[in-house]
Amino acid sequence: KNEVEQSPQNLTAQEGEFITINCSYSVGISALHWLQQHPGGGIVSLFMLSSGKKKHGRLIATINIQEKHSSLHITASHPRDSAVYICAVGIQGAQKLVFGQGTRLTINP
Amino acid sequence: NAGVTQTPKFRILKIGQSMTLQCAQDMNHNYMYWYRQDPGMGLKLIYYSVGAGITDKGEVPNGYNVSRSTTEDFPLRLELAAPSQTSVYFCASRRHDSNQPQHFGDGTRLSIL
Repeated sequence: KNEVEQSPQNLTAQEGEFITINCSYSVGISALHWLQQHPGGGIVSLFMLSSGKKKHGRLIATINIQEKHSSLHITASHPRDSAVYICAVGIQGAQKLVFGQGTRLTINP
Repeated sequence: NAGVTQTPKFRILKIGQSMTLQCAQDMNHNYMYWYRQDPGMGLKLIYYSVGAGITDKGEVPNGYNVSRSTTEDFPLRLELAAPSQTSVYFCASRRHDSNQPQHFGDGTRLSIL
């Protein structure tokens, strides 16, 4: 079993829908990261959080440390949100990240 | 702001050839990483470095070598390329403070035929 599991693996929705992507992990972490990878391949960091909730524009990330679970929400989704969203965790005491397999999101106009 | 620069962007190698993937960052980051991304799989750590002169193996180091002679550069060397090394390679860097985000390069798409 992978240390970081994301669901769903693929998600297709219509423009305007509310999107939720989930991430569960099985190890002690120092922080959880959400990353976005566009079709061109570049990877950018969206959020880094160790507790509670963060919001940036239409994106919201939450984490429940006790349940070892995080969610990424997108409100009023748009075709330009189409990308692969990657969850990664920083392992406690280590200098590296462990990555989920990614969720491929497609928003249709 | 250049950030993390990877070269080349694309390369085709024949089995048994060798090459070096270049990675440079201009943010004075101590930590640098090399990952490979295979289709449908998460990023896998090949090697990482916490500073000049210090490198360590990640999850999938076999068939690769690295060096870190300066803070800015972290080249990845493939010796005796094999088809299993066909992948997209990403370099990343971050500040040494705990829980800093990683900054990624645009990737190198490598095919071994």
